[in-house]
Amino acid sequence: EDQVTQSPEALRLQEGESSSLNCSYTVSGLRGLFWYRQDPGKGPEFLFTLYSAGEEKEKERLKATLTKKESFLHITAPKPEDSATYLCAVQAFSGGYNKLIFGAGTRLAVHP
Amino acid sequence: ETGVTQSPTHLIKTRGQQVTLRCSSQSGHNTVSWYQQALGQGPQFIFQYYREEENGRGNFPPRFSGLQFPNYSSELNVNALELDDSALYLCASSSRGNWAQETQYFGPGTRLLVL
Repeated sequence: EDQVTQSPEALRLQEGESSSLNCSYTVSGLRGLFWYRQDPGKGPEFLFTLYSAGEEKEKERLKATLTKKESFLHITAPKPEDSATYLCAVQAFSGGYNKLIFGAGTRLAVHP
Repeated sequence: ETGVTQSPTHLIKTRGQQVTLRCSSQSGHNTVSWYQQALGQGPQFIFQYYREEENGRGNFPPRFSGLQFPNYSSELNVNALELDDSALYLCASSSRGNWAQETQYFGPGTRLLVL
């Protein structure tokens, strides 16, 4: 069964304290791993897509990496505005269409 | 470029009622997917529409139904509302073609409360 597990569930950081979020997955026929940021009560905002093991993507203080079994979202020197829930999703192909399977997310709080 | 829009933003219904949620896809996108997100959980796939037909469904009962229109906008209909239907309903649009390009972009969501 296709599954995505994110850890930790919640993370509290001091401003400038770097850390990493983990996303482990099992999926038959990976067609992409996605990272989204979601602010409370809002829709997910697209951050990155990774397609193959060894691939890396960067955007400002965020860097996403991918292996065959998991992905990491590294946050370097975070600021309070980075506080949000970060969602990981895998794109699975089944029955002629692509669907996203999400993890439960990691709630990040960055304090000044 | 216009992003994904959804209406209404909030909705309160009572158990047993019916509800219709609306979504306008991003310019240039031809595929719409709907998700349900309970509080503290990740979004769960409901179904996907392409060329005005449902071509994929998650583990949701038939009282969840939808439509896609020629302009690629979409509706989600839920009949016989239950308390557990209270959630954030998200619409995502994408462009069917090269599977590597099928990034889904989400709207702001509709918050549904069933009393």
